[in-house]
Parts: sequence; structure tokens; C-alpha cells
Amino acid sequence: AQKITQTQPGMFVQEKEAVTLDCTYDTSDPSYGLFWYKQPSSGEMIFLIYQGSYDQQNATEGRYSLNFQKARKSANLVISASQLGDSAMYFCALFDFQKLVFGTGTRLLVSP
Amino acid sequence: NAGVMQNPRHLVRRRGQEARLRCSPMKGHSHVYWYRQLPEEGLKFMVYLQKENIIDESGMPKERFSAEFPKEGPSILRIQQVVRGDSAAYFCASSPERTGDTEAFFGQGTRLTVV
Repeated sequence: AQKITQTQPGMFVQEKEAVTLDCTYDTSDPSYGLFWYKQPSSGEMIFLIYQGSYDQQNATEGRYSLNFQKARKSANLVISASQLGDSAMYFCALFDFQKLVFGTGTRLLVSP
Repeated sequence: NAGVMQNPRHLVRRRGQEARLRCSPMKGHSHVYWYRQLPEEGLKFMVYLQKENIIDESGMPKERFSAEFPKEGPSILRIQQVVRGDSAAYFCASSPERTGDTEAFFGQGTRLTVV
């Protein structure tokens, strides 16, 4: 069974609009963390946002927010006011049992 | 505080040669993870090390691949007798003692090309 699932291989959004990237996970570890990383065409992995399993509130970092629904085991990334520079691959990752496991990623394309 | 440093950034090897990839974790970080990213794919976990110990190598191919994280110096991912299928980006990440409640910091990656 997949630990991390990203069902959207590609997403398109217009500049200044909001977009939600989906992520569901599966773990038996009661203490875990969920991460989102951005990988632009240059290839580096850029940390965006983190949500701990015991955090009561949804994480936010600037234009990024994480819609954490623990019962549904989902951790969707919301990007508000999209910018052209947001075009990239986005990876959701689960940290449990001492390692990060990545989803297959979603390619986001922001158009003018 | 320098980030995770990987070198070289690009490495070209002929089939059959050895590839050595280096990773210096962030200062104060004692946990190191190696990941492999094939073209157009996500990152696949390879190995998790702490100083002088391999904690989890469930993602490492059984042959030709090895990893170490000595008491002094960087972590090394070693690939012997490389083949074309080893061509990929190899990322190293590090985290501090407390794991699971903070981000793992990634290096810039080493892009290995086997010709």
C-alpha cells in the first residue's frame, strides 16, 4: 500500500488564483509529520511547510497553508495568489518511523 | 550556518567505474538520509544513517551500493561498477536529533550521468 498518494499528476492555475494540491497518507505511527517540498526546474528541493500529527492548528507559511484533516488522512497544500514563479513540481512527504517517504509529485503550471 | 553540502554537483562516469557522492550535513545534525530521483519521478528513499551506524537501508539495492557516515567527515554514498540505470539525481538530507517534528534539510543534489 502506498504511504503517500498524490493523485494529480498535473495542475494548471492562472496567476493570482488559489490552487489546492492533494495529498493523502497512510501510517500506523501515532507520531508523524507531513511536509511539502517544491522542486523547480533547477532541481533543488525547497522546503515549504510542515504539519505535525499532534498540531491542533493547520500550518501556514506566507502564501502556503496546509489543510490537515487527520481523520481523512489528508494534508492538502493550498497556495493562495499564485505567481508565475510557483510553476514547479510539488512533493508531499510523510515522516514516520524515522524516514521521509515522498509522493510521486504534482506538476503545477501557473499561466499569466 | 551552511546548509547541507553535496559534492560534486555533477558527476560523469563510464560504465564499470565507481561513483562516490559526498554529503556534509548541517552543523549539529547527526541524521543523514540519501534519496534517488530518476528522471520525471519522485524521490525514493535509499538509506538512513546516524554517525557510524546504518539505521535503515531498506531502499538500497543489494549489490554495488553502499553508504557510510563516519565519526569524522561527510557521509559517502558509493556506487561500484556503475551502469546506465544508475543515472539519476542523488539527494542527501539531514535532520537534528529530534526527528519527525522538524523539516529535513536537503542538499542541492548530485546529478550522476553514466555514459
